[in-house]
Amino acid sequence: DTGVSQDPRHKITKRGQNVTFRCDPISEHNRLYWYRQTLGQGPEFLTYFQNEAQLEKSRLLSDRFSAERPKGSFSTLEIQRTEQGDSAMYLCASSLDPGRVTEAFFGQGTRLTVV
Amino acid sequence: AQKVTQAQTEISVVEKEDVTLDCVYETRDTTYYLFWYKQPPSGELVFLIRRNSFDEQNEISGRYSWNFQKSTSSFNFTITASQVVDSAVYFCALSEALENTGFQKLVFGTGTRLLVSP
Repeated sequence: DTGVSQDPRHKITKRGQNVTFRCDPISEHNRLYWYRQTLGQGPEFLTYFQNEAQLEKSRLLSDRFSAERPKGSFSTLEIQRTEQGDSAMYLCASSLDPGRVTEAFFGQGTRLTVV
Repeated sequence: AQKVTQAQTEISVVEKEDVTLDCVYETRDTTYYLFWYKQPPSGELVFLIRRNSFDEQNEISGRYSWNFQKSTSSFNFTITASQVVDSAVYFCALSEALENTGFQKLVFGTGTRLLVSP
């Protein structure tokens, strides 16, 4: 399968614990995005990478959140000191950079439940 | 600020009925892109269509068709002869075309859940 893959698919954690999610984009895609989706809502933008550079961050991304994309390949999203409000689906997407806006392809997401 | 409104929270139809999902957007940009995505129960967002603001031609792809009307800021999606497999949540999204950086942030609507029964 050559789509966007995310791991784990589900994560249950206790409040206050740290969690880390991984995203493997489509191999030739140099743009990578993280979105968060809560129940009954559309996805909301969190952050964007062009290769290994993190170029945009949403105000939703508090200082407890950190994202990396070493070597411009896979990406990780870490949440420190999780809170119940962090419970959501975390979606990763990737797209090509052919010099114009293109569609983003999404993974199946990681569903986080903070208890 | 950009905004996408999908006023229909949930639509139920019987198989073979036609159904239209509404999408109204707000933007001050003259250049922008509109998208539709499908989210089946598995959770993955499946890309359906991308349309730029300069192309107002309607598009048809099999049973799917899209009606883009700039005058009313709408980008509606019609499924003809619906099937049970069309059951999913459908999202309309809007992005800015920041060509100098290549960055596109998608602003999504709240989605319309379509239930197609046999």
